[in-house]
Amino acid sequence: GAVVSQHPSWVICKSGTSVKIECRSLDFQATTMFWYRQFPKQSLMLMATSNEGSKATYEQGVEKDKFLINHASLTLSTLTVTSAHPEDSSFYICSASPPSGSSYEQYFGPGTRLTVT
Amino acid sequence: GENVEQHPSTLSVQEGDSAVIKCTYSDSASNYFPWYKQELGKGPQLIIDIRSNVGEKKDQRIAVTLNKTAKHFSLHITETQPEDSAVYFCAASTQAGTALIFGKGTTLSVSS
Repeated sequence: GAVVSQHPSWVICKSGTSVKIECRSLDFQATTMFWYRQFPKQSLMLMATSNEGSKATYEQGVEKDKFLINHASLTLSTLTVTSAHPEDSSFYICSASPPSGSSYEQYFGPGTRLTVT
Repeated sequence: GENVEQHPSTLSVQEGDSAVIKCTYSDSASNYFPWYKQELGKGPQLIIDIRSNVGEKKDQRIAVTLNKTAKHFSLHITETQPEDSAVYFCAASTQAGTALIFGKGTTLSVSS
């Protein structure tokens, strides 16, 4: 199957600072990537849909000025958590789909564990 | 919008037994139903999926069934092994390239 990577795998930052998470599709181009957040023992909650070359679409309740998404190329999307607070501590996971218009499969990255102190 | 319900939330079986996890969805336009396995601290891994034009799909010990009329689909794991222990998520989407809506997950424990 297709491979999606994330970097870093874990990060600890101080409250008030910003942190950037990268999501890369390694062996395919992805016009669309998705960002999810997962709290302990909970399901994945969609945060935003990232489209290459255009603005991201955010889900209701997700602050677009706090969670900045940039999809600058067909293989890279970044999520920047700005002015992080302890409640932003979570497991952030991205996914990507191959570009075929008939492709439903989504492949997930390994996730990034963010801890805000 | 779409809502996906998943049951049970936890499931414990003996090695060699079968395990069944069930999901229901609300949006009749949904036509793609994947199942993911997530191990602790890792991202979800696609294990099997089914589209609405198919009623059943099997891959070795894993099978998925879909009942579009009742709007429910199920994951069947036969001859369970301890390494099958993980959290399993069902999901649904309405078209290619759109986000998945996930169920709340089932923690499967297989004891030897």
